[in-house]
Amino acid sequence: GAVVSQHPSRVICKSGTSVKIECRSLDFQATTMFWYRQFPKKSLMLMATSNEGSKATYEQGVEKDKFLINHASLTLSTLTVTSAHPEDSSFYICSAREASGRWETQYFGPGTRLLVL
Amino acid sequence: AQSVTQLGSHVSVSEGALVLLRCNYSSSVPPYLFWYVQYPNQGLQLLLKYTTGATLVKGINGFEAEFKKSETSFHLTKPSAHMSDAAEYFCAVSGTGRRALTFGSGTRLQVQP
Repeated sequence: GAVVSQHPSRVICKSGTSVKIECRSLDFQATTMFWYRQFPKKSLMLMATSNEGSKATYEQGVEKDKFLINHASLTLSTLTVTSAHPEDSSFYICSAREASGRWETQYFGPGTRLLVL
Repeated sequence: AQSVTQLGSHVSVSEGALVLLRCNYSSSVPPYLFWYVQYPNQGLQLLLKYTTGATLVKGINGFEAEFKKSETSFHLTKPSAHMSDAAEYFCAVSGTGRRALTFGSGTRLQVQP
């Protein structure tokens, strides 16, 4: 089946630094990727929808200047948390939709746990 | 707009007992419904989905769910729980006009020996 990877799986950084998280579709082309944030013992909240070659669409309340999303190729999307603060600590999960697949089918990455000290 | 309500943040069953995880949804368009499972520190794995057609959907690991439009429900069941079923389960909905998923708050399933 389709595989989505995320890197790193875990990152600890100091407050004020920026962190980049990569989401890759390993064996398929993904025209659309989604970024979710999951707080401890909470559900996943959609942050943004990323389409290859165009600007991401952010959900209401998500700061686009703080969470920079780039989807430069059909297999890679990146989320950069700029000037991270402790409240940005969370589990970030991406998902990808196959270009040739059914629109309702998403494949999820294993997640990246971010801890900001 | 879509929303999902999962009744019961924690469910505990004995090994071999019936598993029933409840999910109710609201959607302004015909819904597509999903159940995902999440093991600790891992991403989500699709258990099953309903799009159109047969309202009883069978998924992996012996799980199934029934779409009941009149009750706006999509409850997940498994006849006999196994220890390996212990995980977090999420119900999700997506309408044709909204390509991303809206998730419920999740239900943690515990399986007692």
